[in-house]
Amino acid sequence: GAGVSQSPSNKVTEKGKDVELRCDPISGHTALYWYRQRLGQGLEFLIYFQGNSAPDKSGLPSDRFSAERTGESVSTLTIQRTQQEDSAVYLCASSYPTQTYEQYFGPGTRLTVT
Amino acid sequence: AQSVAQPEDQVNVAEGNPLTVKCTYSVSGNPYLFWYVQYPNRGLQFLLKYITGDNLVKGSYGFEAEFNKSQTSFHLKKPSALVSDSALYFCAVRAPTGANNLFFGTGTRLTVIP
Repeated sequence: GAGVSQSPSNKVTEKGKDVELRCDPISGHTALYWYRQRLGQGLEFLIYFQGNSAPDKSGLPSDRFSAERTGESVSTLTIQRTQQEDSAVYLCASSYPTQTYEQYFGPGTRLTVT
Repeated sequence: AQSVAQPEDQVNVAEGNPLTVKCTYSVSGNPYLFWYVQYPNRGLQFLLKYITGDNLVKGSYGFEAEFNKSQTSFHLKKPSALVSDSALYFCAVRAPTGANNLFFGTGTRLTVIP
């Protein structure tokens, strides 16, 4: 079936504005992850959803970052009052609940804060 | 705490020669280890994983990796490099219990020279 999709693919925003990034996981994948990839760096874990359990928010860098997930489908990552250091590629991944170690990644959203 | 180190930012190899991309890890307990590849303008793709069993694991596109517990390494290898293997390679680790997210290295850019 279709892979993980993310939208928009690119987003340019002004400092101080709010942005919403969307992720559509693979159908049947109840686990969903958000990561951030800054230029020249590895991926940083942000947040993890598993079914109806409380999300693991331990990677969110500040209270300006939040994420929601509707059931076992679409997730949105919201960044409020964006700062220039938020500029990065935001990657979403999903996996089966019993194979959370094998994650399938979307193409990412490149966020540029000017 | 879990961590991954990829000591080489860049690896250059001639087409047809064997290639090695290095990775060392730190994790409590037995690790789950992964390699992902990122082609330009595309999301991360899963290459292979080590969970348990044989220390030599085989993955996609002819790649393999060797788990060495005493050296805490998980180097990626291929006997004969192709120009199309040129990409960014990420090593990742996860503890067998606890958090489900992956910890990624900073990536190694592989360039295969025709």
